[in-house]
Order: sequence, then C-alpha cells, then structure tokens
Amino acid sequence: GAGVSQSPRYKVAKRGQDVALRCDPISGHVSLFWYQQALGQGPEFLTYFQNEAQLDKSGLPSDRFFAERPEGSVSTLKIQRTQQEDSAVYLCASSLAGGGGGTDTQYFGPGTRLTVL
Amino acid sequence: GENVEQHPSTLSVQEGDSAVIKCTYSDSASNYFPWYKQELGKRPQLIIDIRSNVGEKKDQRIAVTLNKTAKHFSLHITETQPEDSAVYFCAASINGGGATNKLIFGTGTLLAVQP
Repeated sequence: GAGVSQSPRYKVAKRGQDVALRCDPISGHVSLFWYQQALGQGPEFLTYFQNEAQLDKSGLPSDRFFAERPEGSVSTLKIQRTQQEDSAVYLCASSLAGGGGGTDTQYFGPGTRLTVL
Repeated sequence: GENVEQHPSTLSVQEGDSAVIKCTYSDSASNYFPWYKQELGKRPQLIIDIRSNVGEKKDQRIAVTLNKTAKHFSLHITETQPEDSAVYFCAASINGGGATNKLIFGTGTLLAVQP
C-alpha cells in the first residue's frame, strides 16, 4: 500500500518568509510525528499527534513553529518568519498505535528539504 | 531527558566481513529500540527493532542485542554487501502507558562496505 508522503520535496524560502509543509500519513494510522534532521545528524523530535490532538509539542524550537492535524489524517507543519537556522530536512512519520503500545513501528516519509536563504 | 549515544560515527569494512554498531541510552524507562537505515537523500527505513522484554533478535544477516542493565544495545550485520552501505541510526523510546512514543535518535554511523 501507499506509504507516508510529504510535499513539497524541496522548498527554498527567503529569510522571513512563511512556509507550510504537508504530510500524508499511512491511512488509518493514529499517531503522527514530525522530526527535524539537520545535515549529518539524526532526526530530532518536534511534535506528536494522536488523531487530531497534539499531545506533545516539546520539541518545537520556537513559537514560529506550528503544527496541526485538524481531521486526524493530513498534517501541516508551518514555520513563520523563516530563519537560516531552520534549514533542514523535515521528516514526518506515522504509526498505527495510539500511545497504548502495540504496533509501535514508525514509518517515515521522504522528507521536505527546506533551504532558507 | 533521554539521550542516545552511538559509536562509531564511521565504519569501513570489506565485503563479507561483519559490522557492529553500538548505542547507549540514558533513560531506564526506555523500552523500544529500533534501528533505521538511511541512504543518501532517502527516508529512514526500519531494518530491525527490539523491545525491552527480549535480549536478542535476529533477521537473516541482521541481529540486535540489548543489555538493559548496562543500557546498551548493538546492531550486528554479518556477511556485509556493498548495498549495506548507508547511514544507520539507533533510537530509543518509551512506549505504552500514555507515553508519546517519540524516538530519540543517535547521531548515526556511516557504514561503507568495500567490494
């Protein structure tokens, strides 16, 4: 079946612009995660949704970062007034489980590579 | 918070040799330990995982071992092939009981298998 998809795959923004990154999780997956991967580093957790509820946003680096999943499926990560340090690959992952254990495997999308000039 | 350390950062082996990557974690409540393979410009892909109620798991040429007391876990790849060349990430998370299940990743190991 279809995996996790993300769009756009590449985004170039001028410093100060707002960007919106989209994630389409695997159909039926309850949990959705956003991670930020800087060049040469491991992914770092940003935020977590269980259906439409944002249960953990402890990894969001500043109040310029905002995520939503209004209908419990597609999610959007928005970055306002982008800065050069926001340049990274933004990965989305989904899993079937909803925090109660069970099938915990997180399946990743291909990521959106954001470059802020 | 949880911290995961991974070693080595780079590993070069000859085709057919074995490769071992080691990770340590800090939070004793962690109970789920996946390993991901990431090729250049591609998504991370799960290759094997282990839960804290198991000490070892094997899948063909890949095996993972877990030492809960020492908070160590390791990836073992036998009979390496050139297509095993990639960056490998270990991760740890706390699953169940209302936890977020967020993954805390190591810094990655670049494995190069020389033909």
